[in-house]
Formats: sequence, C-alpha cells, structure tokens
Amino acid sequence: AQSVTQPDIHITVSEGASLELRCNYSYGATPYLFWYVQSPGQGLQLLLKYFSGDTLVQGIKGFEAEFKRSQSSFNLRKPSVHWSDAAEYFCAVGALGTGNQFYFGTGTSLTVIP
Amino acid sequence: KAGVTQTPRYLIKTRGQQVTLSCSPISGHRSVSWYQQTPGQGLQFLFEYFSETQRNKGNFPGRFSGRQFSNSRSEMNVSTLELGDSALYLCASSLDGTAAYEQYFGPGTRLTVT
Repeated sequence: AQSVTQPDIHITVSEGASLELRCNYSYGATPYLFWYVQSPGQGLQLLLKYFSGDTLVQGIKGFEAEFKRSQSSFNLRKPSVHWSDAAEYFCAVGALGTGNQFYFGTGTSLTVIP
Repeated sequence: KAGVTQTPRYLIKTRGQQVTLSCSPISGHRSVSWYQQTPGQGLQFLFEYFSETQRNKGNFPGRFSGRQFSNSRSEMNVSTLELGDSALYLCASSLDGTAAYEQYFGPGTRLTVT
C-alpha cells in the first residue's frame, strides 16, 4: 500500500540554524515526490518536486531535497532558516499514470525561534 | 493570472444536512482534485476530475460526490453530513492532471458540522 511517513510532528529551530525535515515513502511504482508548505489559513504551495535524474533537487525559498531510493526517503533541507519559514510542511508521493492522486504525509509543523 | 478560488471559505452545517462546495481552477487548467484535511488523518485524496470526467477516486463513502463543468469549475457535494466530516476541504488544479504538472491549491473551505 502507498504511504508517506513524516516522523517528526513538530520541530523547533532557531533562526539561522539549518533544517532537515524527514520523509519516508512506500510506493510500488516509480515515485514522483513533492514537498509542499502550508501557512495558516492558506492552501498548499509547492516547494519542489522530484521525478527523475539528479537526486538532489532545488526548490523555491532556498529549500532543497535529496531522493535516496535505497532508504525510500526524500528529506527536505535548508541551510539557514528564516522566521518566515514557520509553517506546516507536507511530503507527498504520486506516480505516472495516476493523475493527481497524491498521497500526503501527516505534516511537520515548524516553529522558528529568534 | 488569478489563483484557485474556493467558495464559500467557511461553512457551518448540522448533522444530516448536505453541502455543496465550489472550486474555480486557474484559467486553462483542466484537472481539478479535491482533498480533505483533518488534524487526525492529514490530507486525504477525495477525487480528481479531468475534462468533466472523474478519473480517480479516493477511499471515501458514496456520500462524497463531485462533478466538473465544461468550464472546468468543479463542485463537491457531501450528503447526510456527519460530525466527522468537519474538515478543511482543499481543491487543486493543474494543467493536464499528470503528476508532471504542478498542482495549485486553493485556500480551502472550512466545514464545521454540529
């Protein structure tokens, strides 16, 4: 069965510190992987996506993610967090031929302290 | 270009009633997907419509239904509301409904069932 696990429900980091949000997936087909961010009262915004090729992908707002097939992981990273990065982050998986039937993780809430 | 719009933004209904939510996709987008977001279950896929046809359906009871019009606008209907249907309902549109194209999410409709 397809599933996405985000093991960290909540993370607190200091402004300027580095960030890594974990995502593990289980998917039978070749996965398409996504990270979305959701600010309070708003919809989801795509940060980055991985389909194929280079396993390190760059996204918006200085985020990057690395696909590791052997570990079934797609962790999100940022070298220096800004206060405006405080939000909910969701990892999602889809596959070719399934349209937009994505499976989302339960999300990681990020708090940034000054 | 206007984003995805959802109406209404907030809704309060009573158990047993029915409700219709509306989603207007970005101009030119032909695929509309619906998701239910709750604190306990996270984001769950409801269904996807493409060119007025339901292409994918998630694991929800038949009380949840939807449709898409020729202008790509979509509605979802929930009949015989239950307390557990209280959630944020998100709509997302994309150009052609394959995972290759970014999904753009609307701000959601917050449904409260009392």
